[in-house]
Amino acid sequence: EAQVTQNPRYLITVTGKKLTVTCSQNMNHEYMSWYRQDPGLGLRQIYYSMNVEVTDKGDVPEGYKVSRKEKRNFPLILESPSPNQTSLYFCASSLRDRGEKLFFGSGTQLSVL
Amino acid sequence: SQKIEQNSEALNIQEGKTATLTCNYTNYSPAYLQWYRQDPGRGPVFLLLIRENEKEKRKERLKVTFDTTLKQSLFHITASQPADSATYLCALEVDYKLSFGAGTTVTVRA
Repeated sequence: EAQVTQNPRYLITVTGKKLTVTCSQNMNHEYMSWYRQDPGLGLRQIYYSMNVEVTDKGDVPEGYKVSRKEKRNFPLILESPSPNQTSLYFCASSLRDRGEKLFFGSGTQLSVL
Repeated sequence: SQKIEQNSEALNIQEGKTATLTCNYTNYSPAYLQWYRQDPGRGPVFLLLIRENEKEKRKERLKVTFDTTLKQSLFHITASQPADSATYLCALEVDYKLSFGAGTTVTVRA
């Protein structure tokens, strides 16, 4: 089944403790992206990648890192999480970077205490 | 700054009626505009894509219009059903980035 898989689904952590949210897609998509969703603000793009070893900042990249060493994986790293990073996170992928629909993962609900 | 605005109010309609959602944008010249459906606690699911040179697109009971002069897209759900209850997001593609509106929540009453 074609899908984008994120893990974990729920995560509670404390300020400053490094964490990684994994994202993997099995559709051979070139484009991958991370979004965060907050009430009233909608989905905001954190980082995106147009291909392996190519990443770029979205609208809200501060406090986040990503890497794209393999085509299928695009992990999101929070080196020192803070409470304002408490949010619902979505990974998404598409075949190309333009004019293509995005496939979203099921989301990761992160709480930073 | 760039801005995408969707109906700020939630939409409450009777089954069988047509729901019309608006997506207005400023300071963009998008090549594509997309609509997604999101159910509570789930990731958005793609519905329709319309290009800047297309005026209208249809898919089953869904219809999308795109007016680049007015900088507006309208999304219609005809013959609505309770199963159409969800939040609907519009998204604009500019410079390889897809930016989303905050969404409009639609509730269809049986």
